[in-house]
Amino acid sequence: DQQVKQNSPSLSVQEGRISILNCDYTNSMFDYFLWYKKYPAEGPTFLISISSIKDKNEDGRFTVFLNKSAKHLSLHIVPSQPGDSAVYFCAATYTGNQFYFGTGTSLTVIP
Amino acid sequence: DSGVTQTPKHLITATGQRVTLRCSPRSGDLSVYWYQQSLDQGLQFLIQYYNGEERAKGNILERFSAQQFPDLHSELNLSSLELGDSALYFCASSVEGVAGVSYNEQFFGPGTRLTVL
Repeated sequence: DQQVKQNSPSLSVQEGRISILNCDYTNSMFDYFLWYKKYPAEGPTFLISISSIKDKNEDGRFTVFLNKSAKHLSLHIVPSQPGDSAVYFCAATYTGNQFYFGTGTSLTVIP
Repeated sequence: DSGVTQTPKHLITATGQRVTLRCSPRSGDLSVYWYQQSLDQGLQFLIQYYNGEERAKGNILERFSAQQFPDLHSELNLSSLELGDSALYFCASSVEGVAGVSYNEQFFGPGTRLTVL
């Protein structure tokens, strides 16, 4: 039962352009959402998070948008840089103990 | 470097065998989480321990078990291994809020790649 879904396995973007990574969820009880970035041979690293009481959170080039009615969140990276090339996972929780992760989107930023 | 260490990095074993994966959390973190990432799959939550006690359980098979020791390191035991158990196993730790509930980021180790032949 995949409660968090990332339907795009991969995405390619030109350097300097915007990257938009999408994530959908099914459980309306989720109240906290996170994005992680993963490079090969490393564990995921935290990128940005958002509480369900907000609809936007920004940190430098990274912005996460939450649309609760659509059960959808997205990560915007502006401008995209080659170093952003990685696999991005979205995750959600409503207990603070169990976190549900999506299957990941592999982002390639083309120089 | 996240501060979370996992050993071994790679493990190759045969079906039916038993293995133990080890995780040391970041200094001061009381919670440890275990995840399994199979090919083309997301991270599947297995189990969480908080200060030595089991806190939450996910899709963990009965053949799998875990524990957290007084020094806060954790071990994940996988027994009667099957081909389908081949995966990356990640450990993560986090700073806790009240009573083991954390809405904070988790810090992941580099993972242990298990190959069952």
